[in-house]
Amino acid sequence: GNSVTQMEGPVTLSEEAFLTINCTYTATGYPSLFWYVQYPGEGLQLLLKATKADDKGSNKGFEATYRKETTSFHLEKGSVQVSDSAVYFCALSDPTGFQKLVFGTGTRLLVSP
Amino acid sequence: DGGITQSPKYLFRKEGQNVTLSCEQNLNHDAMYWYRQDPGQGLRLIYYSQIVNDFQKGDIAEGYSVSREKKESFPLTVTSAQKNPTAFYLCASSSPSGRAYNEQFFGPGTRLTVL
Repeated sequence: GNSVTQMEGPVTLSEEAFLTINCTYTATGYPSLFWYVQYPGEGLQLLLKATKADDKGSNKGFEATYRKETTSFHLEKGSVQVSDSAVYFCALSDPTGFQKLVFGTGTRLLVSP
Repeated sequence: DGGITQSPKYLFRKEGQNVTLSCEQNLNHDAMYWYRQDPGQGLRLIYYSQIVNDFQKGDIAEGYSVSREKKESFPLTVTSAQKNPTAFYLCASSSPSGRAYNEQFFGPGTRLTVL
């Protein structure tokens, strides 16, 4: 079946450090891929998405590239801020069934000043 | 402003009681979803609805029930049959339905605690 695997957290960084959060997936067909962010006590917000191979999604300095050959969608940011502290979820949308999202377990990012 | 509202934000329930979580959206979206979030786990799909008066079970539907009588409303009932109901519940919506690349918009969530 479809699944998403994310690196375990927490990821602890100092402000202005480079961020990578790894995400790999298993899916039949060609899923759409998403990164969602969840701030404490809140719902999820879409951070970025990519709908086909080699697409690059980007938003607020974050970016991720849909790599079909490695089945990966790693999240990167060149310089993190304290305000980026949150939980990040990688997800895929099953292309063969109704628009159901399959989520990874989430990666907590902690950025210190 | 358009969005999704969930109420209440915090809910406490005694064992053996049913409880209903509210979800309302004014985005004119066709599809709505309920997810459950537990610590250290990703979100798991409970139920989803593509259109009014129609809904399907997700991956963990046992012990839950839903209705979809209006386009903007998708309430979730946690029944006494749910063995471990303490969790954070998230409602989402999307449109048009059935498109894999479309974003799901999430509400702020309801934290349910069984005492």
